[in-house]
Amino acid sequence: EPEVTQTPSHQVTQMGQEVILRCVPISNHLYFYWYRQILGQKVEFLVSFYNNEISEKSEIFDDQFSVERPDGSNFTLKIRSTKLEDSAMYFCASTRSGFSGQRLRSDQPQHFGDGTRLSIL
Amino acid sequence: KNQVEQSPQSLIILEGKNCTLQCNYTVSPFSNLRWYKQDTGRGPVSLTIMTFSENTKSNGRYTATLDADTKQSSLHITASQLSDSASYICVVTSGEGGYNKLIFGAGTRLAVHP
Repeated sequence: EPEVTQTPSHQVTQMGQEVILRCVPISNHLYFYWYRQILGQKVEFLVSFYNNEISEKSEIFDDQFSVERPDGSNFTLKIRSTKLEDSAMYFCASTRSGFSGQRLRSDQPQHFGDGTRLSIL
Repeated sequence: KNQVEQSPQSLIILEGKNCTLQCNYTVSPFSNLRWYKQDTGRGPVSLTIMTFSENTKSNGRYTATLDADTKQSSLHITASQLSDSASYICVVTSGEGGYNKLIFGAGTRLAVHP
């Protein structure tokens, strides 16, 4: 069964440095997401991406964050100047969505990768 | 404020026993409710998705219920196995029109002992 793959599995970075987390969504999926999970806390939505642009983002996703789909397969999350509080597990997810009339169907399962553990020193 | 609350926080049961996990939500507008299983160190895996009009949905030994009037959902696990040990996360999708953001509960950590 196709999977969402994320690299690296663990990233250690000095505070203030830029970091890029990489994801390869399932090939025929159209919607892509980033989430984060701080150790011991609940998963939090960061951003959704569709048709080469951000469709929604949370208040966590500030100017330090950006997403990109540089080619037909990769989906990246960049943190421009990392802070200690950015240490977390970052999950990428994708879904195959479709339209039903004017509304985007939201009953498709999201497929998650196994995450990148980001440690900021 | 949109919130998803789960109970209990953690649960220990013996292999072969049944259990039920609870989820209460205050999310508006409601789009759908999902249950995920998250093994330690892994990403969440979708178990069920229920829309407003669905009361129950099964996936093998997992059965989810939804009461949209009381804004409650439950996940029932039948004949538990050691591999059921994981966190079970209730997620409510909010919004309309677009593909909306998901609001996660904190999860119930289930441990199945032999």
